[in-house]
Amino acid sequence: EDKVVQSPLSLVVHEGDTVTLNCSYEVTNFRSLLWYKQEKKAPTFLFMLTSSGIEKKSGRLSSILDKKELFSILNITATQTGDSAVYLCAVDHPSGGGADGLTFGKGTHLIIQP
Amino acid sequence: ETGVTQSPTHLIKTRGQQVTLRCSSQSGHNTVSWYQQALGQGPQFIFQYYREEENGRGNFPPRFSGLQFPNYSSELNVNALELDDSALYLCASSSSSSYNEQFFGPGTRLTVL
Repeated sequence: EDKVVQSPLSLVVHEGDTVTLNCSYEVTNFRSLLWYKQEKKAPTFLFMLTSSGIEKKSGRLSSILDKKELFSILNITATQTGDSAVYLCAVDHPSGGGADGLTFGKGTHLIIQP
Repeated sequence: ETGVTQSPTHLIKTRGQQVTLRCSSQSGHNTVSWYQQALGQGPQFIFQYYREEENGRGNFPPRFSGLQFPNYSSELNVNALELDDSALYLCASSSSSSYNEQFFGPGTRLTVL
């Protein structure tokens, strides 16, 4: 069965700390891995990764994919209270030649304390 | 550029009733996917619509059905509601050239009593 596992499920750190969120996956026909940030309702898109070893960066956030070991990490440096959210990892793995939806992990609930 | 919108924001129904949720896709996007997110869980894929046809379905029973209209907006219909259908229902749109890069709407919170 296809699955996406995120760890830790929850994390509490202080403002200014650096955090690393993990996502491992076991799926057939892997195409890409995506990271989303969910604060209240709508998940907002952060990164899409398709190739191993190429870091994607946006401000204080960065992410990398390892297709051999089947995992990805999301790093946030110099955390701020506004980074508090649930971070979702999702994998795109179409089956049967058609376009299917994303398979999500349960998310990491990150709390940044002032 | 207009983002993904959903209506209504909240909805309360009783067991056995039927519900229709609506989604307008982001400008320029022709593919719509629907997800169910239970409390404390990640979103689960229900189905996807492209060119008014269902184009992929997750592990949901037939009482979950949908439509896509010529303007790419979409509806999710759920018949014979059960208590476990209580969840946040998210709609995501994407373009056919990059359909895995999905942009989500704010969701509809459905409570079934």
